[in-house]
Amino acid sequence: GQQLNQSPQSMFIQEGEDVSMNCTSSSIFNTWLWYKQDPGEGPVLLIALYKAGELTSNGRLTAQFGITRKDSFLNISASIPSDVGIYFCAGQLRGQGAQKLVFGQGTRLTINP
Amino acid sequence: GVTQSPTHLIKTRGQQVTLRCSSQSGHNTVSWYQQALGQGPQFIFQYYREEENGRGNFPPRFSGLQFPNDSSELNVNALELDDSALYLCASSPRTSGGAGTQYFGPGTRLTVL
Repeated sequence: GQQLNQSPQSMFIQEGEDVSMNCTSSSIFNTWLWYKQDPGEGPVLLIALYKAGELTSNGRLTAQFGITRKDSFLNISASIPSDVGIYFCAGQLRGQGAQKLVFGQGTRLTINP
Repeated sequence: GVTQSPTHLIKTRGQQVTLRCSSQSGHNTVSWYQQALGQGPQFIFQYYREEENGRGNFPPRFSGLQFPNDSSELNVNALELDDSALYLCASSPRTSGGAGTQYFGPGTRLTVL
């Protein structure tokens, strides 16, 4: 099925470091979302972006909706142990058909002690 | 929030399975996703007002129902080994722009032997 290109696939960082991940698509979306998934759990919504160029923060998290509507990035500042998990980007075409989410492959974040 | 049952399920090839989902209060759109190990979720289908509103690239042996109280079922017939996955339900409100932001349940882990 269709998937977004998400990078990097995995990250190994020290506590306190900043993290950056991004997502690109060959198709345009009018909504970009970022989710975090812990083992054995469902994805939890972190940030939703509804407008090209939009920059939104949620605590230490900042995400941007690319101007071309084909990309988005997520930054995490001053990482802490509870940031460990898998981060997924998802694109959505609102207002057309089934409103399905198209997901990236995920970025696995590991924090070294 | 969104709840799903059962948490885990083990079936054998050729059997049939029914998974259940209760939407978040006030949400009238339900979407189902399949997440294979190490992958992002893949859209199966979406229901709104008890009718299928769109479908991903899944065969007809994947079917669903939405009930008047907005709860939902996913049925899979003639199970195959490749159907082993985490099945996620997501609910969302309906807005003027289509389905709103989707919130996920914890998932049902299905193992087919």
